[in-house]
Amino acid sequence: DAKTTQPTSMDCAEGRAANLPCNHSTISGNEYVYWYRQIHSQGPQYIIHGLKNNETNEMASLIITEDRKSSTLILPHATLRDTAVYYCIVTAGGTSYGKLTFGQGTILTVHP
Amino acid sequence: NAGVTQTPKFRILKIGQSMTLQCTQDMNHNYMYWYRQDPGMGLKLIYYSVGAGITDKGEVPNGYNVSRSTTEDFPLRLELAAPSQTSVYFCASSLITGELFFGEGSRLTVL
Repeated sequence: DAKTTQPTSMDCAEGRAANLPCNHSTISGNEYVYWYRQIHSQGPQYIIHGLKNNETNEMASLIITEDRKSSTLILPHATLRDTAVYYCIVTAGGTSYGKLTFGQGTILTVHP
Repeated sequence: NAGVTQTPKFRILKIGQSMTLQCTQDMNHNYMYWYRQDPGMGLKLIYYSVGAGITDKGEVPNGYNVSRSTTEDFPLRLELAAPSQTSVYFCASSLITGELFFGEGSRLTVL
C-alpha cells in the first residue's frame, strides 16, 4: 500500500470549513483513498473513500487531485464534536486484500 | 445488529500471564483485523484474516497469536504478557478492504 503524509495538527473555528490535506504521491492505479477519524479513545470511524472522482456524503467531501497524488477531506461546517484525529489511508479496494496501516494522522481541534 | 463486540473492555495482567481477547462480529464480514494503539500513537496492525482458516501477520505480530475457525470470531491470544503489551487493542471487520467497522476497544495493562 502507498504511504501517506499528513500534517501533525490543524485548528479550525466552529462553523467554518475544515480542510485536511493528505499526500500520497506513490499511489498506484488500483488504490483507493480512505479517511477515518478517531474521537478521543473510541475506535476509529469510517468517513469516506474515493478512487479518482470527488465524493460527498453526509459527513464530508473528498477532493482528489487529477494526478491522484494528493487529496483533501473537507468538513463543510465544523463543530466541536469534529475534534478528533483524522487518518488518511491508501489501499487496494474491492476484494483484493491488503494490510491496512494507519499512520499518525492529523489532530484537528475545532475552537468555539 | 451489534456490529463488532470485544471482551473484556478492561484487564490487568501480571507479567508472564496469558490471556485471550475475544472479538465477534455479526455482519458476516470476511475480513477481520487486530490493532493495538499505544498512548498518543497511531494504530499498529497485529494480525489480520481474510476468511475462516486464513490469517496473516501485520506490522507487530510478536508476542501474539490468532485463530479464525469461524467467520464471526477472531480471538487474539497473548502468551507470556510483558509490560510492552500494555495498550488499547481494537478489533475491526470489513466486507471489502478499506471500509472497517471497529469495536470499542480492550484496555490492557501488564504490571
